[in-house]
Amino acid sequence: NAGVTQTPKFQVLKTGQSMTLQCAQDMNHEYMSWYRQDPGMGLRLIHYSVGAGITDQGEVPNGYNVSRSTTEDFPLRLLSAAPSQTSVYFCASTYPDLRGEAFFGQGTRLTVV
Amino acid sequence: EDKVVQSPLSLVVHEGDTVTLNCSYEVTNFRSLLWYKQEKKAPTFLFMLTSSGIEKKSGRLSSILDKKELSSILNITATQTGDSAIYLCAVEPFFQGAQKLVFGQGTRLTINP
Repeated sequence: NAGVTQTPKFQVLKTGQSMTLQCAQDMNHEYMSWYRQDPGMGLRLIHYSVGAGITDQGEVPNGYNVSRSTTEDFPLRLLSAAPSQTSVYFCASTYPDLRGEAFFGQGTRLTVV
Repeated sequence: EDKVVQSPLSLVVHEGDTVTLNCSYEVTNFRSLLWYKQEKKAPTFLFMLTSSGIEKKSGRLSSILDKKELSSILNITATQTGDSAIYLCAVEPFFQGAQKLVFGQGTRLTINP
């Protein structure tokens, strides 16, 4: 069971570059989310999806785009990287019957210089 | 705005001690409260608590929700070095689901031998 897989694990970008963080799950979960984790701030929701073709913004969406063309994949795009986007990014998935329990990927540590 | 606050932010104890971690929340429509353990990478699920007030236990860990005080505690007895981690508290708002968890800042617990 792979669970939730994120790639890459580490990435260094220059300011202004764009990139896509990949997230895939093999549990047939309807719900998927992206969070960022910064020191002393816990996890903050960036974007989420309740099914293929349906996405919405979370608490901190600026500078990020998402799409959900399949149930399995939920990529996060950084349009023009900024140093403020230096963070650890987590993808999570779940489905309604789990009543709150989310499964997390191993995270992507992104540094923008 | 939904909010979750954890205390203390950091705690250092000796192996064998008992610790209590706190989580308080302000949520417009509460559905459940979740505790996660984060060692080096992905948060892993510990407990889900609802307004029923039923205590949850797993080995040396236990947790309960106080719906009047809008808070929860996580107890760890006879601590071991393997309990060292960041403990995250999150709230699942009603009608929004587990794809929109609201997290606290986390408590960094260090167990010294």
